[in-house]
Amino acid sequence: AQSVTQLGSHVSVSEGALVLLRCNYSSSVPPYLFWYVQYPNQGLQLLLKYTSAATLVKGINGFEAEFKKSETSFHLTKPSAHMSDAAEYFCAVRRAQGAQKLVFGQGTRLTINP
Amino acid sequence: KAGVTQTPRYLIKTRGQQVTLSCSPISGHRSVSWYQQTPGQGLQFLFEYFSETQRNKGNFPGRFSGRQFSNSRSEMNVSTLELGDSALYLCASSLVIQGNYNEQFFGPGTRLTVL
Repeated sequence: AQSVTQLGSHVSVSEGALVLLRCNYSSSVPPYLFWYVQYPNQGLQLLLKYTSAATLVKGINGFEAEFKKSETSFHLTKPSAHMSDAAEYFCAVRRAQGAQKLVFGQGTRLTINP
Repeated sequence: KAGVTQTPRYLIKTRGQQVTLSCSPISGHRSVSWYQQTPGQGLQFLFEYFSETQRNKGNFPGRFSGRQFSNSRSEMNVSTLELGDSALYLCASSLVIQGNYNEQFFGPGTRLTVL
């Protein structure tokens, strides 16, 4: 079975500050990991993905994440927050092989303070 | 290339009715998955179709069903609607190459309200 835990349902940072959104996963098989962003009244947009190549993954809009197997973590970071980053962020896991089913965390709402 | 499209975007139904939602995947994507998003339960997997066959199903009652057509378009149906079925229903498509699934791309969703 697979599961994802996102620490902190709400995170607030100042514009220009570091963004750190935490994600820990549980998987009995090699995982693929993803971060998605959701803006109000929209679907999910893929930010980045880990598929067993490089452990440090760079995504769109200046975001990156590092896969740490020993810590079962895949935290999302951005060096400098922008007002447009305000949204809800979801971490998701799926099996590397076979079933396509994504298992999502509960989401983290990111607020940017001017 | 056009993204995943879902119709309708908004829907209001009453308890006991049934509803059909439609999803058109990105051109060339043959895998289509459906998810339900609610404030209480978050994002939950409903089912996945590939080449007109249901490959995987989530833990939902039989009132939830789906199908996929030869052009990869997919529909999901919910019968005997309940208040708890009010949710954002998201469709996602992915490219499959030699049995390997790539990442899922999501549509804007259909917001279903059951009164």
